[in-house]
Amino acid sequence: AQKITQTQPGMFVQEKEAVTLDCTYDTSDPSYGLFWYKQPSSGEMIFLIYQGSYDQQNATEGRYSLNFQKARKSANLVISASQLGDSAMYFCAMREGRGAAGNKLTFGGGTRVLVKP
Amino acid sequence: DTAVSQTPKYLVTQMGNDKSIKCEQNLGHDTMYWYKQDSKKFLKIMFSYNNKELIINETVPNRFSPKSPDKAHLNLHINSLELGDSAVYFCASSQGGLRRAEQFFGPGTRLTVL
Repeated sequence: AQKITQTQPGMFVQEKEAVTLDCTYDTSDPSYGLFWYKQPSSGEMIFLIYQGSYDQQNATEGRYSLNFQKARKSANLVISASQLGDSAMYFCAMREGRGAAGNKLTFGGGTRVLVKP
Repeated sequence: DTAVSQTPKYLVTQMGNDKSIKCEQNLGHDTMYWYKQDSKKFLKIMFSYNNKELIINETVPNRFSPKSPDKAHLNLHINSLELGDSAVYFCASSQGGLRRAEQFFGPGTRLTVL
């Protein structure tokens, strides 16, 4: 079974509008972390935002916020006021367990976002 | 100053050759990783080292051999290259043991096997 599922392979969004990227995950470990990364066409992986399984509040970083619904096992990324530079692949990832051995990231298949002017 | 660097950025080689990719991080992190991104953009962990010790070894052919001479370096050697090895290989590092330890990725090495 997929541990991280991103159901939207691609989407268009109008500049200045908000967009929500879906991510659902599957784990039986009570301690886990969820990450979102951006990969522009240049290829580098850029960390955007983190949500810990024990965090009480939804994470926010500038225009990025995470809609964390623990019972539903979803961690959707919301990008507000989209900009042309937001056009990229977006990956949701999960870290399970503790310590150094628990540090590997399991990635979803990604969502390609194209911002239209 | 680049936090995680990889060389080379591009690698084009013939089937059957042996090649190496080097990775260095100057962040003082104690954990380093190799990930493979295939042509469909799917990213998968290959190896992880913590303080020069191998701690994660996913199901990777033994033609792939990582080596960590010190905490700041993690190299990947690939023997007898095959067409299916064509991919982008990312090195990453993080501070192990921290719950929210984000991983910092290198720019990637695009390997093309002809």
